[in-house]
Amino acid sequence: GENVEQHPSTLSVQEGDSAVIKCTYSDSASNYFPWYKQELGKGPQLIIDIRSNVGEKKDQRIAVTLNKTAKHFSLHITETQPEDSAVYFCAAKKARGSTLGRLYFGRGTQLTVWP
Amino acid sequence: NAGVTQTPKFQVLKTGQSMTLQCAQDMNHEYMSWYRQDPGMGLRLIHYSVGAGITDQGEVPNGYNVSRSTTEDFPLRLLSAAPSQTSVYFCASSYDHRAIAYNEQFFGPGTRLTVL
Repeated sequence: GENVEQHPSTLSVQEGDSAVIKCTYSDSASNYFPWYKQELGKGPQLIIDIRSNVGEKKDQRIAVTLNKTAKHFSLHITETQPEDSAVYFCAAKKARGSTLGRLYFGRGTQLTVWP
Repeated sequence: NAGVTQTPKFQVLKTGQSMTLQCAQDMNHEYMSWYRQDPGMGLRLIHYSVGAGITDQGEVPNGYNVSRSTTEDFPLRLLSAAPSQTSVYFCASSYDHRAIAYNEQFFGPGTRLTVL
């Protein structure tokens, strides 16, 4: 199957600083990489995603980069704000094989932004 | 649209009891799935369904049953609850499971289950 590793497990930053969360995946058949944000007491919500034919994608203060050769992708949050505090999950989806369509999640990163 | 709804929000069971966690979506999504979330373990897939009448196991299926009689509903049944099933359970759905469709997976608000 696919194995997604996520680092760090916890991250604390000062408001206004940048935060970077990194993930690696094992299966070169994966072709879709979403990032989810989970606020306390709620379900995860998609914040940004990237497909394997794209190297970088930005949406205001968040960006995701993908290095297919190295099989890693990263989430970048600039100008962090206290409301960015949450658990962030990376995930990978395979393009083929018996587990077609399944999302494989990393273990999550607890981001805390201090005012 | 209500999106993905789950009931109940909280539940306490005694060991050996059975119960059903309800999940419904009103987006006409083909793909539905159940995850459990435990501290430090991320989201682990229990069961999933690619359409009405079709279900399959995820990575942690033992102790759980599912069925998909309609497109809208995907209940998760705990046959004989054990303390190891204490967790937060999330239901999710997406329009299509196929790799050619990069569809967002929508999550419900979760059910917090405690087994004593």
